[in-house]
Amino acid sequence: QSALTQPASVSGSPGQSITISCTGTSSDVGGYNYVSWYQQHPGKAPKLIIYDVTNRPSGVSNRFSGSKSGNTASLTISGLQAEDEADYYCGSYTSSSTRWVFGGGTKLTVL
Amino acid sequence: EVQLVESGEGLVQPGGSLRLSCAASGFTFSSYAMHWVRQAPGKGLEYVSIISSAGGTTFYADSVKGRFTVSRDNSKNMLYLQMGSLRADDMALYYCAREGRGWYIDYWGQGTLVTVSS
Repeated sequence: QSALTQPASVSGSPGQSITISCTGTSSDVGGYNYVSWYQQHPGKAPKLIIYDVTNRPSGVSNRFSGSKSGNTASLTISGLQAEDEADYYCGSYTSSSTRWVFGGGTKLTVL
Repeated sequence: EVQLVESGEGLVQPGGSLRLSCAASGFTFSSYAMHWVRQAPGKGLEYVSIISSAGGTTFYADSVKGRFTVSRDNSKNMLYLQMGSLRADDMALYYCAREGRGWYIDYWGQGTLVTVSS
């Protein structure tokens, strides 16, 4: 099972919006609304920020939003803040025997 | 408060074995599927294994299938990962994580480090 494809890095200035893509196949991202996104700061455990493509857990800023089109899911962060600088990972259910797959991760730099 | 605390950190030689444990508290452990996820130094997250709430169904990443075994003891609120035939590329921080009410991970432990080296 190959990892989902994410850009290695993205950057933006404070106040701007950025989008991180997560591309899979019809067996995972495209076939099910089970895409989730995780934020990981250096030396910390990952944190869930989006689940089921578009849903935000309680306590997560509404500056984070998720969407999906075909085999590609996207995470958009609006009103960038310095604290958003982190690594971001997508994850998805897959119909393959492994049942779960992560993306390779994207490093967000706030300029 | 949900807490997941991994243990079993260690240095093991290539080909060796190690068992990781995860103590869960703050929720009804027997009602949730659980995941193991690993992260090699400086690398991304890699899915390892999932076990259903009752323990009767398990899934594995292709990279560990046949070498690792996930299990749980719901009477003790414990999750385990028995790792065998360890290789250098198994060296990583191993996270225990809870699956939410769907296909996503809503809580993570702090991880336990596995080092594979001769």
